[in-house]
Amino acid sequence: KNEVEQSPQNLTAQEGEFITINCSYSVGISALHWLQQHPGGGIVSLFMLSSGKKKHGRLIATINIQEKHSSLHITASHPRDSAVYICAVRGRSQGNLIFGKGTKLSVKP
Amino acid sequence: NAGVTQTPKFRVLKTGQSMTLLCAQDMNHEYMYWYRQDPGMGLRLIHYSVGEGTTAKGEVPDGYNVSRLKKQNFLLGLESAAPSQTSVYFCASGHPGWEAFFGQGTRLTVV
Repeated sequence: KNEVEQSPQNLTAQEGEFITINCSYSVGISALHWLQQHPGGGIVSLFMLSSGKKKHGRLIATINIQEKHSSLHITASHPRDSAVYICAVRGRSQGNLIFGKGTKLSVKP
Repeated sequence: NAGVTQTPKFRVLKTGQSMTLLCAQDMNHEYMYWYRQDPGMGLRLIHYSVGEGTTAKGEVPDGYNVSRLKKQNFLLGLESAAPSQTSVYFCASGHPGWEAFFGQGTRLTVV
């Protein structure tokens, strides 16, 4: 079983829809990252969380440490949000990131 | 401020050839990482460095070597490339507890 599981694997939405991507992990963590990867492009860090909730523009990330679960929400989705969204956790006992396989989001106009 | 820069961006190698991928960061980060990204899999750590002159193995180190002679540079070497090393390689820098900064990736094909 992977230490970091994301769902769904693929997601297609209509422009304007509210989107949720989920991440569950099985290890104790010191931090959780949400990353964005555009087709053919590099990887950009969106959020780093260790508790609670963070918001940046139309993006909201939440984490529940007790449940070992995080969600990434996108409000009023737009075609430019189409990308792969990756969840990664930093274990308490090691400094390296453990990555999920990513969620491929496609937002149709 | 360039952030993390990887060179080259694309490369095609023949089996058995060698090459070096360069990662340069201008943020004075202590930690640097090399990952590979393959279809259907999450990013996997190849090697990492926690400071100038230090390197350590990650999850998939076989077939790769690294060096960190200068704090700002982290080199990934393939001594004898194999088709199984066809992948997209990402370099990242940062520090545990900080944001992770990634390069744009190097797409390597070994034929």
